[in-house]
Amino acid sequence: GQSLEQPSEVTAVEGAIVQINCTYQTSGFYGLSWYQQHDGGAPTFLSYNGLDGLEETGRFSSFLSRSDSYGYLLLQELQMKDSASYFCAAGGPSGSARQLTFGSGTQLTVLP
Amino acid sequence: DADVTQTPRNRITKTGKRIMLECSQTKGHDRMYWYRQDPGLGLRLIYYSFDVKDINKGEISDGYSVSRQAQAKFSLSLESAIPNQTALYFCATSDRTSPSYEQYFGPGTRLTVT
Repeated sequence: GQSLEQPSEVTAVEGAIVQINCTYQTSGFYGLSWYQQHDGGAPTFLSYNGLDGLEETGRFSSFLSRSDSYGYLLLQELQMKDSASYFCAAGGPSGSARQLTFGSGTQLTVLP
Repeated sequence: DADVTQTPRNRITKTGKRIMLECSQTKGHDRMYWYRQDPGLGLRLIYYSFDVKDINKGEISDGYSVSRQAQAKFSLSLESAIPNQTALYFCATSDRTSPSYEQYFGPGTRLTVT
C-alpha cells in the first residue's frame, strides 16, 4: 500500500512563495502528482513528476526525489485565487493498475 | 458541456435505503473511478474500472457496489445506506495512454445519510 503525509495548513501573503511538502511510503511507486481543489469542488490536475527533478508549469513547480521519498509543490507570485486545498497523490502500483493514493491535503490560505 | 457529469449533485437519504450515484463521461476514457472524500481525509478510492468487463475494489469498497454499464457510464450503489457513508463522492476518469496519471473529476455528489 501507500501512505502520504503533507501539512494540514499553510498560510502566506499575496505575492509570496510557498512550498507544500509531501513525503510518501509506498510499494510500487510510479510517480507523484499534485491536485488543486477549491471549496469542495472537483479536484483538478496541476502537475506530475515521473522522474526526479523539477517540473515547471507557469507559477507552479513540482519536485520529486525518489531517494528521499519526498516531493514538493512550489507556488510563486501567490494570488488570492490560489487559496485552495492541495493534494499530493502517488501513482502505482506499476503496470496497468494506474491507481492514485491521495494525501490528506494541505489547505492554503492566501492573505492580502 | 462538462466532460464528467455526476447525478444527483446532492442527496439526502435515510438509513437502510438503497441509493445509486451515476457518472457519465464524454472524454472517451477507458478508466473510471469512484472516490469518497471526508473532511481531513483526502480522497479515498472505492472502486475502479479499466473497461466494461474489468471492475476492481479499492481501499474502502465495503458497503458499496458498482456497475459499468458502458464505457461512458459508471454507477456507484449503496445497498443499505448508513450514516457514516455521509460524504462527498467523486467520479473520475483517465486515459490508459496518459503518462501522467492525470485524472479528470466530476463535480461531486454530496450525500447525507440520516
